[in-house]
Amino acid sequence: GDSVTQMEGPVTLSEEAFLTINCTYTATGYPSLFWYVQYPGEGLQLLLKATKADDKGSNKGFEATYRKETTSFHLEKGSVQVSDSAVYFCALWYNKLIFGAGTRLAVHP
Amino acid sequence: KAGVTQTPRYLIKTRGQQVTLSCSPISGHRSVSWYQQTPGQGLQFLFEYFSETQRNKGNFPGRFSGRQFSNSRSEMNVSTLELGDSALYLCASSSTTSGSAGELFFGEGSRLTVL
Repeated sequence: GDSVTQMEGPVTLSEEAFLTINCTYTATGYPSLFWYVQYPGEGLQLLLKATKADDKGSNKGFEATYRKETTSFHLEKGSVQVSDSAVYFCALWYNKLIFGAGTRLAVHP
Repeated sequence: KAGVTQTPRYLIKTRGQQVTLSCSPISGHRSVSWYQQTPGQGLQFLFEYFSETQRNKGNFPGRFSGRQFSNSRSEMNVSTLELGDSALYLCASSSTTSGSAGELFFGEGSRLTVL
């Protein structure tokens, strides 16, 4: 069945460091792909999305490109801030959201 | 515009009891979905309602049920609670405009503890 695999955390970075969180998916067809973020004590928020191959989603300095060849949707940010500390979930849509296990990011000053 | 509101935010039940959780979607959103979040299983889809009809259902036992009212508010019910039902239950609403599939707006969740 359809599934999403993302790198295990936690990921610990210093402020202004470069961030990559890997995400790969298994799916029939070409589903829309998403990154959701969960800040401490809050529900999930949509961070960015891409609906077809080679699309790049971007928001708040985060980017991810839909790579059909490698079935990947890696999340990147050039310079993280302490306020980016959260749990990040990669997901695909197939009549419902199918989530990866989540990656916890901790950014230290 | 008010976000998705879930009540109660926290509750404690004992095994064998039942629980009802409530969700008020964003105004104008007619689709409501429920997800269960646990440390072991992560985020799992429970069901989705649209215009008072269940449109999709995940792989949960029949003890888990839901409904949607004419004003789009939704409730989910878990009967005969088990320890493993302890989780954060997240409700999400979405619009049905073209291109918005998968763009869900989540509430803060109802944290259920079963003792």
